[in-house]
Amino acid sequence: AQSVTQPDIHITVSEGASLELRCNYSYGATPYLFWYVQSPGQGLQLLLKYFSGDTLVQGIKGFEAEFKRSQSSFNLRKPSVHWSDAAEYFCAVGAGNNDMRFGAGTRLTVKP
Amino acid sequence: EPEVTQTPSHQVTQMGQEVILRCVPISNHLYFYWYRQILGQKVEFLVSFYNNEISEKSEIFDDQFSVERPDGSNFTLKIRSTKLEDSAMYFCASSETENSPLHFGNGTRLTVT
Repeated sequence: AQSVTQPDIHITVSEGASLELRCNYSYGATPYLFWYVQSPGQGLQLLLKYFSGDTLVQGIKGFEAEFKRSQSSFNLRKPSVHWSDAAEYFCAVGAGNNDMRFGAGTRLTVKP
Repeated sequence: EPEVTQTPSHQVTQMGQEVILRCVPISNHLYFYWYRQILGQKVEFLVSFYNNEISEKSEIFDDQFSVERPDGSNFTLKIRSTKLEDSAMYFCASSETENSPLHFGNGTRLTVT
């Protein structure tokens, strides 16, 4: 059965520091992988996606993620965090939109 | 950039009442979805809709729920006889194709009292 694990419920980083949010998945084949961000009171905004090809994908707002098949991971990174990045981040996996499973989310707090 | 819009942003209803949550997907999108997020829990798939019929539904989507596309723009989720445990944020999403990324609305927070 497919599943997504985001091991960190809450992460706090200082503004300007680097960020890595972890995502591990369990899936029978090579899945489609996504990262979404949810600001308070807002919907889910797609940051980036991986379908195939280059395993390092670039997204919006300076985010990137790397697909590592051997580790079943798709971690999200940003070299320098801005205060506006404070939000909830969701990793999702699936073979299609009918099949998507979301992780429990990681809440990011940015310290000044 | 085109957006998925949902109304209302917050709906309070009494247990046993019926509610209709409304969504206007992006105009050239063909696939429509409802997801829900109970406070503090994961975002869960409810149902997908294509070509005027349900294409997939989860085990959460029981007879209490129904979806409809009453006209060319709206996509609605009806919850009959609401229960306390239906309290959640309900997200509508649409996509251009079955596998293109989902575009989500801002959600409707449903509170059942």
